[in-house]
Amino acid sequence: ETGVTQTPRHLVMGMTNKKSLKCEQHLGHNAMYWYKQSAKKPLELMFVYSLEERVENNSVPSRFSPECPNSSHLFLHLHTLQPEDSALYLCASSHLGGGGDGYTFGSGTRLTVV
Amino acid sequence: EDQVTQSPEALRLQEGESSSLNCSYTVSGLRGLFWYRQDPGKGPEFLFTLYSAGEEKEKERLKATLTKKESFLHITAPKPEDSATYLCAVQRYSGYALNFGKGTSLLVTP
Repeated sequence: ETGVTQTPRHLVMGMTNKKSLKCEQHLGHNAMYWYKQSAKKPLELMFVYSLEERVENNSVPSRFSPECPNSSHLFLHLHTLQPEDSALYLCASSHLGGGGDGYTFGSGTRLTVV
Repeated sequence: EDQVTQSPEALRLQEGESSSLNCSYTVSGLRGLFWYRQDPGKGPEFLFTLYSAGEEKEKERLKATLTKKESFLHITAPKPEDSATYLCAVQRYSGYALNFGKGTSLLVTP
């Protein structure tokens, strides 16, 4: 298992549901990220947290709400999603600046919106 | 705006048939260029970081090189277990994000 753990691995939710994705890292990193991976598209950066402060938000719809309570945990709260939000959601972590070993990714949550 | 273009989109090789994957990039102030491997249903796995033109790094059958406009991932005598999607990403000095290309899907057949 990698140093970044994501739960759940799979999630099916209706458009009116509220759910949360969880990410936990055990690497001592101080920056965490949410990426979205859709078929035939590059990974899309959603949010960046550095030292528990949100430092980037790439025009993500408000139905996605991130939370970073400490440097080891990151959540993505989901509500009233659309079918086009179905994708693989990847969490990553790094040291500040992200150089060297780059980012360490989790295995992702496969989200299906019905 | 950063641009990362990977080619080919898909590549099929016979076991032992060497080849190269290409990553062309345009970025203002390159901090690093990253190569990742991604297996189906899993997150990307870090392979290499390259920082400056002329730099090369090797790991088993893989060798990554960097110029001012592109990077190559050379695969020497590939094995079926090298089958995966290979992703290239760039990072600016001024930001946190890794900006990814769409990837090259590699299939190595016995």
